[in-house]
Amino acid sequence: DTAVSQTPKYLVTQMGNDKSIKCEQNLGHDTMYWYKQDSKKFLKIMFSYNNKELIINETVPNRFSPKSPDKAHLNLHINSLELGDSAVYFCASSQGQVLNTEAFFGQGTRLTVV
Amino acid sequence: QKEVEQNSGPLSVPEGAIASLNCTYSDRVSQSFFWYRQYSGKSPELIMSIYSNGDKEDGRFTAQLNKASQYVSLLIRDSQPSDSATYLCAVNNDGNQFYFGTGTSLTVIP
Repeated sequence: DTAVSQTPKYLVTQMGNDKSIKCEQNLGHDTMYWYKQDSKKFLKIMFSYNNKELIINETVPNRFSPKSPDKAHLNLHINSLELGDSAVYFCASSQGQVLNTEAFFGQGTRLTVV
Repeated sequence: QKEVEQNSGPLSVPEGAIASLNCTYSDRVSQSFFWYRQYSGKSPELIMSIYSNGDKEDGRFTAQLNKASQYVSLLIRDSQPSDSATYLCAVNNDGNQFYFGTGTSLTVIP
């Protein structure tokens, strides 16, 4: 069973479109994250949710809207896609409020905006 | 975003040598530190975690933490070609925030 799964794995779309990426974890964690990884491999945190509540929103354009229907799911909706949004997006989860815990990552979604 | 810095490399070492990867962080309240390995086209996977000053060894890997100097390192002994990957340093401050460095690309030459 995959611990953190995200869909789709690949997403190619035109500028101006709206798209969503879904993420689910079956680890029983209460904290979930979205990261953006650019071509230089820098993993930048975008959002962090703890028990469905937004904890971190790191200077992300409001075209990006996360939604957490329950603590096992964190989806990312992107409006009016731009060329600069092309990147790999990773979902992750951890047992929040606990320092000595690792983050587990999904397989990533490679988004290409053309 | 909190600052976590790594030498981007690339770092090349011959097979069997020791690879040394370094990381510094800016937030003094950082409590937990992690090293992730990421193969090309794959997701990051945890290889080491360290929470207190000193060394922690796991097989061929040793993590070193010096909170006074705000410095974390990873040593890979007897490097193998399969160790060739990008190594990401991560810092967790309060349980809800994992901040990553820019990664160091390691190539082990057979």
